[in-house]
Amino acid sequence: KAGVTQTPRYLIKTRGQQVTLSCSPISGHRSVSWYQQTPGQGLQFLFEYFSETQRNKGNFPGRFSGRQFSNSRSEMNVSTLELGDSALYLCASRAGPGNQPQHFGDGTRLSIL
Amino acid sequence: QKEVEQNSGPLSVPEGAIASLNCTYSDRVSQSFFWYRQYSGKSPELIMSIYSNGDKEDGRFTAQLNKASQYVSLLIRDSQPSDSATYLCAVEAERGGSYIPTFGRGTSLIVHP
Repeated sequence: KAGVTQTPRYLIKTRGQQVTLSCSPISGHRSVSWYQQTPGQGLQFLFEYFSETQRNKGNFPGRFSGRQFSNSRSEMNVSTLELGDSALYLCASRAGPGNQPQHFGDGTRLSIL
Repeated sequence: QKEVEQNSGPLSVPEGAIASLNCTYSDRVSQSFFWYRQYSGKSPELIMSIYSNGDKEDGRFTAQLNKASQYVSLLIRDSQPSDSATYLCAVEAERGGSYIPTFGRGTSLIVHP
């Protein structure tokens, strides 16, 4: 069974640009969550989607948004990029909306210049 | 603010010893508890999940949960150099049908030959 796939693996952007990251969950998994990981803040929850609906949202500004498609694939968008957005962005999937372990993709490392 | 606390370490143990990793959490209604291992530059990998008080064993790993004291621990028996990694504790509570995970910042484990 294929794992969680994230693309691209690496991205370099400049301040003010926007970026879209993609995540394909494990087959059969309908819940997709996004996280930001930085050395200073650790793993921070961004949002979770289940059946194309955002179920939970972390404490991030509105520049961070996402969506989920009918095939459970998910995208995350960050607009008006800031230097502080440099981080590893991780996607995790699980079969249902909660109370189960998550399985992480390899992440997208985003660097803002 | 729901918090999950872990000693950042590093925790250094000799090969073959037992490594003990601890995690405390503040949300009393937490229901699900997970341990992830993260190698440097890689994404988190699920090691154990535990949902009820007591011990749960899986190979060299044992998770221990004490909800009354609000702590969860991970024991690694016969530690190997390949166990050297950062170990993340994750805690979930159900609120209004949604499960929002909170991660600790992780404990760095070094197993030296």
